[in-house]
Amino acid sequence: AQKITQTQPGMFVQEKEAVTLDCTYDTSDQSYGLFWYKQPSSGEMIFLIYQGSYDEQNATEGRYSLNFQKARKSANLVISASQLGDSAMYFCAMRETSRSSNTGKLIFGQGTTLQVKP
Amino acid sequence: DTEVTQTPKHLVMGMTNKKSLKCEQHMGHRAMYWYKQKAKKPPELMFVYSYEKLSINESVPSRFSPECPNSSLLNLHLHALQPEDSALYLCASSQVSVGHGTQYFGPGTRLLVL
Repeated sequence: AQKITQTQPGMFVQEKEAVTLDCTYDTSDQSYGLFWYKQPSSGEMIFLIYQGSYDEQNATEGRYSLNFQKARKSANLVISASQLGDSAMYFCAMRETSRSSNTGKLIFGQGTTLQVKP
Repeated sequence: DTEVTQTPKHLVMGMTNKKSLKCEQHMGHRAMYWYKQKAKKPPELMFVYSYEKLSINESVPSRFSPECPNSSLLNLHLHALQPEDSALYLCASSQVSVGHGTQYFGPGTRLLVL
């Protein structure tokens, strides 16, 4: 069975510094996709970044980058130059494999609450 | 445009009430999802619709009844709910067979059952 593990329930970072949120995963599939979402206190789940298992380059989206280490089965999110608005819960997720389409359910980790200090 | 809208934002209902949650997307996605999320927990999948047909039901109690009237709309009909059903209900949509299948979420409906 596929599983996502986030071992950091809460983290603090100083404004303008970089922070790494850890995510490890377990799957027997060769082809898989990993996602990071941000959830502010308002509740909306905001898609941040995607990494495919066959992607040779680490994914980047603005201040977000994904440190993908396939052999270690880790997909850590790096946020550079933290801002106060980055304070939120962050979820790492993997889509459950489906043979026929991309509509498998997302398997989420337990989340990491990030607080950015001014 | 990656917008999924949900109404209402907040809902308070009694255990004998009937209410509906609505979700709409105009991204041309042909898959739509309902998730339930308790405080400080990850979302849990309830239902998946693919091409307007129910493709996944995660053994959800029958007091929750999903409906997909067309490719842009997804409803969740609620009847005889229990206090433990109080949660944030999130709708999402995605492509079916194109791209990475990234799921885009709406802002959610916060439901309180009294």
